[in-house]
Amino acid sequence: TQLLEQSPQFLSIQEGENLTVYCNSSSVFSSLQWYRQEPGEGPVLLVTVVTGGEVKKLKRLTFQFGDARKDSSLHITAAQPGDTGLYLCAEPGGSQGNLIFGKGTKLSVKP
Amino acid sequence: NAGVTQTPKFQVLKTGQSMTLQCAQDMNHEYMSWYRQDPGMGLRLIHYSVGAGITDQGEVPNGYNVSRSTTEDFPLRLLSAAPSQTSVYFCASSETGGRTYSYEQYFGPGTRLTVT
Repeated sequence: TQLLEQSPQFLSIQEGENLTVYCNSSSVFSSLQWYRQEPGEGPVLLVTVVTGGEVKKLKRLTFQFGDARKDSSLHITAAQPGDTGLYLCAEPGGSQGNLIFGKGTKLSVKP
Repeated sequence: NAGVTQTPKFQVLKTGQSMTLQCAQDMNHEYMSWYRQDPGMGLRLIHYSVGAGITDQGEVPNGYNVSRSTTEDFPLRLLSAAPSQTSVYFCASSETGGRTYSYEQYFGPGTRLTVT
């Protein structure tokens, strides 16, 4: 079973700062999904990356997929309190049709 | 569309009690699954179903039963609750499972269960 390592585990920043969180594996990803989970809610899909080297943008969020498809990053520009939440990477590749999740990065953006 | 709904939102059980966590989706998705989320452990698959009448075990199935009599509903039953089952439970659905990248999983809002 592939293990997804996310870093950092926790991140607390001030509004307006930039940040990057990472998702790494020792194996090649078939593809990778990023989810955001707000407190008291279920995860919600942000983006799926498929091709090595791919870059996708979602407003202030930029997602990169490593050339070798073994790592991915999420960069947030000018973070806002509304960005607070748990950011999870997941590979849709479990043998049981499930998602394999990393443990997440818990982001807190203070006003 | 309501998406994926779960009831109850919160539940407290005593050790040994049984209960059923309800999950329903209105998107006509074939694939449904149950995860539990624990601090430091991430989301772990309990049971899943690839269609009505078909269920199978996930990573942590012990102490839980499921059934899938309709496409819409996928209840999770705790047979005899234990403190180790204290967790947040999420139901999810998608168009299909398998090693395909394009299928987004839709999650319900979760049930926070405490077993004393």
